[in-house]
Formats: sequence, C-alpha cells, structure tokens
Amino acid sequence: QLQLQESGPGLARPSETLSLTCSVSGDSISSNYFWGWIRQPPGKGLEWIGNIHYSGSSYYSPSLKSRVTLSVDTSKNQFSLTLSSVTAADTAVYYCAATYCNAGYCFPPEYWGQGTLVTVSS
Amino acid sequence: QSALTQPDSVSGSPGQSVTISCTATTSDVGTYKSVSWYQQHPGKAPKLVIYEGSRRPSGVSGRFFGSKSGYTASLTISELQADDEAVYFCYSNAGRNTYVFGTGTKVTVL
Repeated sequence: QLQLQESGPGLARPSETLSLTCSVSGDSISSNYFWGWIRQPPGKGLEWIGNIHYSGSSYYSPSLKSRVTLSVDTSKNQFSLTLSSVTAADTAVYYCAATYCNAGYCFPPEYWGQGTLVTVSS
Repeated sequence: QSALTQPDSVSGSPGQSVTISCTATTSDVGTYKSVSWYQQHPGKAPKLVIYEGSRRPSGVSGRFFGSKSGYTASLTISELQADDEAVYFCYSNAGRNTYVFGTGTKVTVL
C-alpha cells in the first residue's frame, strides 16, 4: 500500500519561498507514478498545482507555473515542492498525491498524504 | 484554464438519492473517461469515489454512480447515509497534462 507523508515548515514569510517534501513508502518513487501537489485554502476548494515523474517530466498549473518548481530525489524516495514569492493567498493545506500512469494514460490520484497546513504571515 | 462548476450544496434525507452536477466551461469533460469524483470529510484528505466517468475504486460503495451528458458530468449517491455527508469535488484533465478540480459541493444529510 502506497503511503505519502508531507513535511516542511508550517509558516512562511511573505515574498519568501515555501518548500515542502513528500516522503513515499510502499513503492519506489521510480515507478509508474506521477508525483503531485494539490492545495486547499482554509474553507475553500482544491487546486491542482503540478505533477512530476521520476524521469524529470513535469507539468504545472498555468496559474502557478511561474512560481512553482517540483523535483524528485530518488535516493531518498522523496519529491519536493517549492513555491516562490508567496503571499497570504498561498496559505493552504498542501497535499502530496500519487497519480498512476500506464501506457500513456494517467488515472486520477488515489493515494494522498494527510496534508500539511502552511500559513503565510509576517 | 477552464473551470468546473458545481452547485454549492445539495441535501437529502436518509435513504433518498442526491445528484451533483459538474459543468465544464470548455470541452474538459468532453472525454467521458476523464471525469473523476472525490469525497472529502472535514479535516481529511479527499477520497476517490469515481474515476473514468463511472468506475468505482475497490471498496467504494455501489451507491455511488457517475454519468455524463454533454459538457456536464454527474455524481449520484443513492440510499443516502449519514456518512455520505461531505464535500464532493469533480476532477478532470484540462489538457496539456494539466488537471482541474470542480468548485465543490457540500452534501448535507437531513
């Protein structure tokens, strides 16, 4: 059973960079998954941020593309999110998730981390 | 990027059925396979209940049924139970390997 766990600071300062890591257990990060991030501002809906494959292929939400970078560390079985120039609008619960892909088709993410709240405040 | 619009809320009594719609502004939901549905209880991560329009993951109750008509996908929950009270989100491929969630619908069991 695939398990994901987010980690990182719960507070970020405005204009600075937010960094989170997702640790994967139960399977290798070098498998048939795209590893992704989704966020949810308090009391609001879900927002897809982006996906990355261990090979380096990555895709980002058009609205966040200029500020987001995803990366994979195969030696640690982890993947990471960095979001630059944060504002209060980036305050949200950040979830990492796994999207299984096979033969060019990707299923919706079925495995999710429990989520971690990041507050942007001075 | 296109949006997926859902009603803010729906409600029903135990044993009744409710249907949640998910309407696309473009052809995101035009491909039948691409619409999925998530259930989210307060403080929890979303749980996948429907994928590829109408397929259920292992362990999901047969009371959850997905369908589509034109640019609108729907989730029907039959025989409503107290535990079905949650927020439901649709999810779709938005093109160019990007994805989008619907605005979310709160289901209340009266």
